[in-house]
Amino acid sequence: SYELTQPSSVSVSPGQTARITCSGDVLAKKTGRWFQQKPGQAPVLVIYRDTERPSGIPERFSGSSSGTTVTLTISGAQVEDEADYYCFSAAGNNLYVFGTGTKVTVL
Amino acid sequence: QVLLEESGGGVVQPGRSLRLSCAASGFSFDDFVIHWVRQAPGKGLEWVALIWHDGSKKYYADSVKGRFIISRDNSKNTLYLQMNTLSVEDTAFYYCARDEDDGAIDHWGQGTLVTVSS
Repeated sequence: SYELTQPSSVSVSPGQTARITCSGDVLAKKTGRWFQQKPGQAPVLVIYRDTERPSGIPERFSGSSSGTTVTLTISGAQVEDEADYYCFSAAGNNLYVFGTGTKVTVL
Repeated sequence: QVLLEESGGGVVQPGRSLRLSCAASGFSFDDFVIHWVRQAPGKGLEWVALIWHDGSKKYYADSVKGRFIISRDNSKNTLYLQMNTLSVEDTAFYYCARDEDDGAIDHWGQGTLVTVSS
């Protein structure tokens, strides 16, 4: 089976930088995407193709990739960024997999 | 305005079947790959299945392969998920989601809750 591993939680003070990692063998050959999910809401795409930001997503969200790890960085985190974050990747043969999820707390 | 609206959720006994629907509007439905994604209450996201724009290819997570069938009717702008032999582990919110480009899921429905319970 394919797995993407994330830290269960990350805490950051307002205005500081939060980094969320996502690790898995599939990332050596496939790009990563990141979704933000707030309570009671559907997920929102914040990064695709490792580093691309969809229109409407604040510039403080950025992505990077190295080897079998992709990273989501929130530079100057805001209170409204408090949410669950999930990485997502193709796993080969048109299958896909989500990461285990990271709860980001801004306080 | 892109809209995806799931329906068909409810309470079902273990071993029974249920069919979910996802009505799409505001875009050219037959141009896009569509996914089903589920989320058990209080748990993480789980990819379930996807179907190509023309319905010619379908792919499933191991956890549902052989039990669930994804299909679409492009003339009705509607996606389906036939769920058979349901178990309590299938209890979740089920979302349909549009794939803009190789997993860049840019629009989601609000989800429909499936509860498998005796």
